Amino acid sequence: DIQMTQSPSTLSASVGDRVTITCRASQSISSWLAWYQQKPGKAPKLLIYKASSLESGVPSRFSGSGSGTEFTLTISSLQPDDFATYYCQQYNSYSPFTFGPGTKVDIK
Amino acid sequence: QVQLVQSGAEVKKPGASVKVSCKASGYTFTSYGISWVRQAPGQGLEWMGWISAYNGNTNYAQKLQGRVTMTTDTSTSTAYMELRSLRSDDTAVYYCARDPQALYSSGWYGYWGQGTLVTVSS
Repeated sequence: DIQMTQSPSTLSASVGDRVTITCRASQSISSWLAWYQQKPGKAPKLLIYKASSLESGVPSRFSGSGSGTEFTLTISSLQPDDFATYYCQQYNSYSPFTFGPGTKVDIK
Repeated sequence: QVQLVQSGAEVKKPGASVKVSCKASGYTFTSYGISWVRQAPGQGLEWMGWISAYNGNTNYAQKLQGRVTMTTDTSTSTAYMELRSLRSDDTAVYYCARDPQALYSSGWYGYWGQGTLVTVSS
């Protein structure tokens, strides 16, 4: 199985901050990576697919980059609605599609 | 608008089975796939598998092979996930999600159901 790691596991930030979350894969996954935002009690929400493609309707302050084994999700100016947990997910290999452990973004 | 509406919460005893439904609306059901993802309390997300709503082909996470079956009913645009021989560590919220591809799992999901809590307890 391809293992996904994320750093940091928790991030404390203020409204207006630039925030960067890193996701690493245990082997190359090309650009087959998605990012999701999840709030308590809610289903995940797709933000980014294919490493850098912004899902329709997602604010442009979210951006994704990277390829191979290292990827980043950047929030250019953190908004109150952005406090949540963020997961990366690889879909390069079926065996199985795996998610990272999550990064919780909370209020500083 | 695309909607995936799942069945209600379940409480099961160890060793029992559970079948969760996911009714789709707002799109052509057979033009997409459905994947299932679960999340244990306070934990991360775990991909369980995928089914093509076009031809019924499936791909299951190896960890669940032999215990999970995914099916669809195209007449009602509903997908089902059955998990057998339940254990306490199967306690989780189970989500269905629409896969953009009908013939293979693309792996990224823009539409999700609201989740179904399955509790396994004696």
